[in-house]
Amino acid sequence: KNQVEQSPQSLIILEGKNCTLQCNYTVSPFSNLRWYKQDTGRGPVSLTIMTFSENTKSNGRYTATLDADTKQSSLHITASQLSDSASYICVVTLYNTDKLIFGTGTRLQVFP
Amino acid sequence: DARVTQTPRHKVTEMGQEVTMRCQPILGHNTVFWYRQTMMQGLELLAYFRNRAPLDDSGMPKDRFSAEMPDATLATLKIQPSEPRDSAVYFCASGLVRLAETYEQYFGPGTRLTVT
Repeated sequence: KNQVEQSPQSLIILEGKNCTLQCNYTVSPFSNLRWYKQDTGRGPVSLTIMTFSENTKSNGRYTATLDADTKQSSLHITASQLSDSASYICVVTLYNTDKLIFGTGTRLQVFP
Repeated sequence: DARVTQTPRHKVTEMGQEVTMRCQPILGHNTVFWYRQTMMQGLELLAYFRNRAPLDDSGMPKDRFSAEMPDATLATLKIQPSEPRDSAVYFCASGLVRLAETYEQYFGPGTRLTVT
């Protein structure tokens, strides 16, 4: 079964600290892996998209990595800010389709 | 600033009533998706269209849900009759698909549906 699992389920960090979120998937084959940020009460917003041939992609303070051999991805947030408080969702696109398979997300809270 | 719009933002209705949710995709986008998000299941694809033609609605309960695109600027999701288990946030997303290219999906703000 095609699944995307994320850990931890929730995370609390202090402002200015770094953190790393994990994503393991069983989707095979796949076209690309995405990370989305979802603020409370809003729709998801794309942070990064990586094809199966890419192993890292950055967007400002967000850096995503992908290991297609072990089927793992991570999202690293540097120098966290209060505005980083949100859910982060790992999403894998099924190969040769438009279908996104979503993880259940990591809820990040950044405190001052 | 182009964005996907959805109406209504919130809807409370009684079990058995008809619910219609509307989405205006970003102008020029050729692919429109409907998703449902619940605490238990997360985000799930319900249906999607390309150039207004339905491509996949396998994620939708067929007996009560229907999705249409009357024109390129409007997508609708209808539930009839609604049930309490339909309570969720429904998102519309749109994207511009070009052959063999990875494309972004842009999500709307969602419609929060509560069925009592």
